[in-house]
Amino acid sequence: NAGVMQNPRHLVRRRGQEARLRCSPMKGHSHVYWYRQLPEEGLKFMVYLQKENIIDESGMPKERFSAEFPKEGPSILRIQQVVRGDSAAYFCASSPPTSGLITDTQYFGPGTRLTVL
Amino acid sequence: TQLLEQSPQFLSIQEGENLTVYCNSSSVFSSLQWYRQEPGEGPVLLVTVVTGGEVKKLKRLTFQFGDARKDSSLHITAAQPGDTGLYLCAGATFTSGTYKYIFGTGTRLKVLA
Repeated sequence: NAGVMQNPRHLVRRRGQEARLRCSPMKGHSHVYWYRQLPEEGLKFMVYLQKENIIDESGMPKERFSAEFPKEGPSILRIQQVVRGDSAAYFCASSPPTSGLITDTQYFGPGTRLTVL
Repeated sequence: TQLLEQSPQFLSIQEGENLTVYCNSSSVFSSLQWYRQEPGEGPVLLVTVVTGGEVKKLKRLTFQFGDARKDSSLHITAAQPGDTGLYLCAGATFTSGTYKYIFGTGTRLKVLA
């Protein structure tokens, strides 16, 4: 029973290039969340998606960042024209469909560490 | 804006000591999760608490959810070097059919042998 998978684990890009981060949720999970973490800091929410829909993108920068979760395949966080300030660890988490139960928990992937040179 | 504040931010203790980490908010949560994160890895879920006043134990770790579901604590008894890591709390709110999670600022624990 595989957990949340992210790839690549490490990504190096030069300024101006594009970065694509992939996240495959746990089996049966239809909700995906993306977070950013800077060194020595906590997690900052970026975007929440369900299959083919963006539910909440209030934490996502308005420019250069986009996310999708297609009907088939992994969720993708795309950063265009990367800058040094984009260097961070990006984590994906997934949770099961909302079933009306009180408990609902996110499970995290191992993260993608993006370094922009 | 919902905020979850954790205290202390940093904690360095000797092996065998006890410690408590606090997670406080002015918001009410439907549930609260505690995670531990080690360097280079993603957060790993430790526990979910749901009911106000609920206490859960996981070996030497005791988690409590406040009666009003606004705060939580994590108590570690006889800390060991393997407990070293970043501890994060996350509160969940259920609005308009979806869950939203707010993460705390984190407590970085170091247990010295």
